[in-house]
Amino acid sequence: DIQMTQSPSSLSTSVGDRVTITCQASQDISSHLHWYQQKPGRAPKLLIHDASNLKTGVPSRFSGSRSGTDFTFTISSLQPEDIATYYCQQYDIVPYTFGQGTKLEIK
Amino acid sequence: QVQLQQSGPGLVKPSQTLSLTCAISGDSVSSNSAAWSWIRQSPSRGLEWLGRAYYRSRWYIDYAVSVKSRINIKPDTSKNQFSLQLNSVTPEDTALYFCARMLAGYDYWGQGTLVTVSS
Repeated sequence: DIQMTQSPSSLSTSVGDRVTITCQASQDISSHLHWYQQKPGRAPKLLIHDASNLKTGVPSRFSGSRSGTDFTFTISSLQPEDIATYYCQQYDIVPYTFGQGTKLEIK
Repeated sequence: QVQLQQSGPGLVKPSQTLSLTCAISGDSVSSNSAAWSWIRQSPSRGLEWLGRAYYRSRWYIDYAVSVKSRINIKPDTSKNQFSLQLNSVTPEDTALYFCARMLAGYDYWGQGTLVTVSS
């Protein structure tokens, strides 16, 4: 199985901060990676597909990029409604696998 | 608007079979572009992909190796739904189970079903 190593596992942040989360794949997955936001008690919500494509309707403060097997997810200016847990997911090869998540907290 | 509605029991006894159904509206289980998956989430395992079914002139079904000997995902075109059966469950199968559609990412999800395996 492809391992997705996501970091950090948690992040203490402030409104207005720039937030960066990374995922490293254990092998080449091209750009076959998505990013999700999950709030407690809810299903994950797709934000970014294919590494860098913003899903329609998602605010432009969210972005994603790829460098080889390293993927970066960025929130340019954190808003209160962005407090959640974020996950990466690869879909290059089944079984699809997820990162362990990054939980954002307010300082 | 696509909606996925999950149904099934929230409590299953050890060694018995977990059965969940995901009813689809706004799309077709026989779509030639989507795939239909079951994913579960627990504190110990995080988000775990269990398997998928998709139709591309014929049905294809894939399973995670970790559950391959115990799982069955079955599309039902007459009811436009797909189901999950997980046999011989143990307390380690206790989790929040989701169905989801994959098109460009998992863009639609069911509401989730918390399944507890306990006697």
